[in-house]
Amino acid sequence: DAKTTQPTSMDCAEGRAANLPCNHSTISGNEYVYWYRQIHSQGPQYIIHGLKNNETNEMASLIITEDRKSSTLILPHATLRDTAVYYCIVPNRDDKIIFGKGTRLHILP
Amino acid sequence: DTAVSQTPKYLVTQMGNDKSIKCEQNLGHDTMYWYKQDSKKFLKIMFSYNNKELIINETVPNRFSPKSPDKAHLNLHINSLELGDSAVYFCASSQLGKRGYTFGSGTRLTVV
Repeated sequence: DAKTTQPTSMDCAEGRAANLPCNHSTISGNEYVYWYRQIHSQGPQYIIHGLKNNETNEMASLIITEDRKSSTLILPHATLRDTAVYYCIVPNRDDKIIFGKGTRLHILP
Repeated sequence: DTAVSQTPKYLVTQMGNDKSIKCEQNLGHDTMYWYKQDSKKFLKIMFSYNNKELIINETVPNRFSPKSPDKAHLNLHINSLELGDSAVYFCASSQLGKRGYTFGSGTRLTVV
């Protein structure tokens, strides 16, 4: 099962792009990268996922390196409501989502 | 309409009691899960059901028993509650091949 590594915490100024990195150097060719976030006192929320190509949706963009060993989640214009813990996850063979410690993102006014 | 709903939202009970938490999803998903988030904020998977059949059972005390009457419902029954069971329990659902899990808003269980 591919393990992910993320920084413990990050700060970002409101209105700027928040770039959250994730390393997944043991990822295999058919494993997806998923991103979730958990805002305080709420359930985790799916953000985006990708395999090889960069992906974009209404919430964020996901940039995956060509060798697939790392990825970056981009929140293009961070707001105070984006303050949360962000989880980068590579599901195991059973498609089971295992949460690590994630990155605590603080958006600063 | 709430996609994944859990009841109750808060539950305070005494040690030794038996309690149930209910979960319902209206997304038409075929798989449902229970996760536990302890005081240190680690989210751990407990159970997974696919079309009413248990497919994941992590190392959870057998005091915890999930029950899935149909694929839209996954309830969690806990016998002989202990102080260490205090946590937030999240229900989630997913559909194989479709994007991500959808989580409920959680049930905060406090055992006193």
